[in-house]
Amino acid sequence: DAKTTQPPSMDCAEGRAANLPCNHSTISGNEYVYWYRQIHSQGPQYIIHGLKNNETNEMASLIITEDRKSSTLILPHATLRDTAVYYCIVNSGGSNYKLTFGKGTLLTVNP
Amino acid sequence: GAVVSQHPSWVICKSGTSVKIECRSLDFQATTMFWYRQFPKQSLMLMATSNEGSKATYEQGVEKDKFLINHASLTLSTLTVTSAHPEDSSFYICSARVGGLGGYTFGSGTRLTVV
Repeated sequence: DAKTTQPPSMDCAEGRAANLPCNHSTISGNEYVYWYRQIHSQGPQYIIHGLKNNETNEMASLIITEDRKSSTLILPHATLRDTAVYYCIVNSGGSNYKLTFGKGTLLTVNP
Repeated sequence: GAVVSQHPSWVICKSGTSVKIECRSLDFQATTMFWYRQFPKQSLMLMATSNEGSKATYEQGVEKDKFLINHASLTLSTLTVTSAHPEDSSFYICSARVGGLGGYTFGSGTRLTVV
């Protein structure tokens, strides 16, 4: 799986949008971009994934650049409960493919 | 949505004893489950891939005789930490693929403390 690079930490004010970047310059054509988050002492939670097009769901939006070498996860109105470590992972999604976690970004939402 | 139930959520055991952690898929069948370990302030590290009806595949450096994995049914995988030692104290998390490209769902984790 392609390697990803994320900033180790970010801060965001409550109610504002949180934009979390991820670089995946070696991504291959069949690899998807997945985002997960882990709130302290819990299992990771799926947020969103995409291949080429931008995606949106009830939790977040995913913006993937045209060359697919980077992406941004957007939490439109961050709350204190969004404080977590956010992981960007690229994976081809095959039936036996395992997720490899990097160090992620610790997002701290401040009141 | 797809839910993976993991038990126990925490356990304290004495050094030298064995501990079993269960991971159940509640509303879907999981032919493949994954077991991770996470030390404080570190990321999740994949330990092994558990396949229903066959032997687990262990990542490099993970002792298969120490971390026994059983995946006897499509809804249950177990991880047994044998002869636990304090250095095995960690947060253990299981995961299963949801059908198609829907991602992976994770258990809530088990905090193991070996004293």
